[in-house]
Amino acid sequence: SQTIHQWPATLVQPVGSPLSLECTVEGTSNPNLYWYRQAAGRGLQLLFYSVGIGQISSEVPQNLSASRPQDRQFILSSKKLLLSDSGFYLCAWSPGGLQETQYFGPGTRLLVL
Amino acid sequence: GEDVEQSLFLSVREGDSSVINCTYTDSSSTYLYWYKQEPGAGLQLLTYIFSNMDMKQDQRLTVLLNKKDKHLSLRIADTQTGDSAIYFCAESDAGNMLTFGGGTRLMVKP
Repeated sequence: SQTIHQWPATLVQPVGSPLSLECTVEGTSNPNLYWYRQAAGRGLQLLFYSVGIGQISSEVPQNLSASRPQDRQFILSSKKLLLSDSGFYLCAWSPGGLQETQYFGPGTRLLVL
Repeated sequence: GEDVEQSLFLSVREGDSSVINCTYTDSSSTYLYWYKQEPGAGLQLLTYIFSNMDMKQDQRLTVLLNKKDKHLSLRIADTQTGDSAIYFCAESDAGNMLTFGGGTRLMVKP
């Protein structure tokens, strides 16, 4: 069966520091991968998605970037964090095809101070 | 662009039925989804319905779709305290991307 992992689970970082959040998927090949951000008490905002290694699409301009160095690994990064980057970051995968059901990881809570 | 709207909050008593509503604007939606998010956790897929269906039932969950009105609802029968969570409606478009509503916080009172 497929599983999706995210780490770390929680992260507290100072403003201006770099960021690297990792997401990995097991049990599937060539998944579509997604990064979402959820501000406190609010809905989901799609940040990036990837349909293959090295292929990244950005949905909103921002301070963050994403990379997909391997088929089942998706990384969210920043060179310098802002206070507004605080939130709950969710990674998701989908098998691709006509029905794009997405399956979510447990999330990373980021607090920028 | 596409828009998905949900009411923010719903409170019910344990044992009652809950009905969470969602409206969307994209007439080319292919699938519509309901996800559940418990505090501090990721989203859990509850159920989904293909856009050419009117209803889908899965144990205590019933999904109703009115495609003409672009209205989706999730009914939870015999609501339990463990059902307290945020429920997200989402639709997928022809490009197979999901658009999420803002979530409905369901509070179940004992």
